Amino acid sequence: QVQMVQSGAEMKKPGASVKVSCKASGYSFNDNFVNWVRQAPGQGLEWLGRIDPKSGGTNYAQRFQGRVTMTRDTPTSTIYMELNSLRLDDAAVYFCARSGSHDGLDYWGQGALVTVSS
Amino acid sequence: DIQMTQSPSSVSASVGDRVTITCRASQNINNFLSWYQQKPGRAPKLLIHSASSLQNGVPAGFFGSGSGTDFTLTITNLQPEDFGTYFCQQTYSISQTFGQGTRVEI
Repeated sequence: QVQMVQSGAEMKKPGASVKVSCKASGYSFNDNFVNWVRQAPGQGLEWLGRIDPKSGGTNYAQRFQGRVTMTRDTPTSTIYMELNSLRLDDAAVYFCARSGSHDGLDYWGQGALVTVSS
Repeated sequence: DIQMTQSPSSVSASVGDRVTITCRASQNINNFLSWYQQKPGRAPKLLIHSASSLQNGVPAGFFGSGSGTDFTLTITNLQPEDFGTYFCQQTYSISQTFGQGTRVEI
């Protein structure tokens, strides 16, 4: 079965960087884009961007351009999301999610809590 | 970015009720609209894709409709397990955006 398993919680100081991983299994890794979505406490969902595992090509939300980097490691079927220059308002749960064959995000990771505090 | 506006922000309903949630896009998105259900502490779950197609494994009772700018999610015969927050999402634009969510309380 399809699974997206993320790395654990992180605690960072403002200005630092965080790198979250997402290991995909149960399907052909190259066949589906992987997206990153975050959710601040008590808030809605915010899309950060996506990566094409086949080519490594990326699309980022404009507000994160220059601050986010998404990469993949094909041999381990793992996707990485690195966010730099962390601010207090970057504190959130970060989800990876697979793009479905038709539309929408059909399989999600369990989420990784990123805490930003001085 | 395309703005997605959901209404209402919350709704309280009883078991067996019919609940309707609307989502309006700031520009035409054809049928590139998905609906998700999220429960506290859990990842969102895809319910509807392509505006009206039920995702595999989602129980009957969830209906999506609409195209262009106006969309609706209808939950018929509300069940206790249907509580949670519902989000719409557009994937028409490469820069995807979500609605702000609708909390459904039983």
